Amino acid sequence: DQQVKQNSPSLSVQEGRISILNCDYTNSMFDYFLWYKKYPAEGPTFLISISSIKDKNEDGRFTVFLNKSAKHLSLHIVPSQPGDSAVYFCAARDGGATNKLIFGTGTLLAVQP
Amino acid sequence: DAMVIQNPRYQVTQFGKPVTLSCSQTLNHNVMYWYQQKSSQAPKLLFHYYDKDFNNEADTPDNFQSRRPNTSFCFLDIRSPGLGDAAMYLCATSTSTYNQPQHFGDGTRLSIL
Repeated sequence: DQQVKQNSPSLSVQEGRISILNCDYTNSMFDYFLWYKKYPAEGPTFLISISSIKDKNEDGRFTVFLNKSAKHLSLHIVPSQPGDSAVYFCAARDGGATNKLIFGTGTLLAVQP
Repeated sequence: DAMVIQNPRYQVTQFGKPVTLSCSQTLNHNVMYWYQQKSSQAPKLLFHYYDKDFNNEADTPDNFQSRRPNTSFCFLDIRSPGLGDAAMYLCATSTSTYNQPQHFGDGTRLSIL
């Protein structure tokens, strides 16, 4: 049973527009959420994170929103650039001391020039 | 630059022939993780080391074992690889400090003949 779900396998956006990637989770004990970006033939690279005590975290063009009541988080990229084209993974920590992460299946973002 | 390095990047082995994948890190992180990622699926945690303490996930097959001889190195041993073990294997590290992300290597792509 998938505890972290990314229901959109792919997303295509025009350069300069906003990209919104979505993630849903089922476990209310998750306390820390992360987004990773992955280029082909490379490992996932940490992008941005948010603690469950917050509802928004911003870093440059990237903003993560957390809606705990809906068990939903989203990543906004504004403005989108062709170099943002990659697979984006949502991950959640299960609240234990081990820092164990549960990953979604990823969303492939294509930013069209 | 501090990093997580996985060797080899591509590994081909025969059905049933033992194989070892390696991971090294210069981040001096005390926690190291091994994930398995199959095509179009989420990375799945196999096990992790918290310092020298080994933590196995409940559903990790007995065929998979790990060694961590020192802080910098961690190995994944697959005793008798089956066709279903063909996957990308990702190593990651983190500190045990609260709310810190995991840092990934570029992975080893394992093929079984």
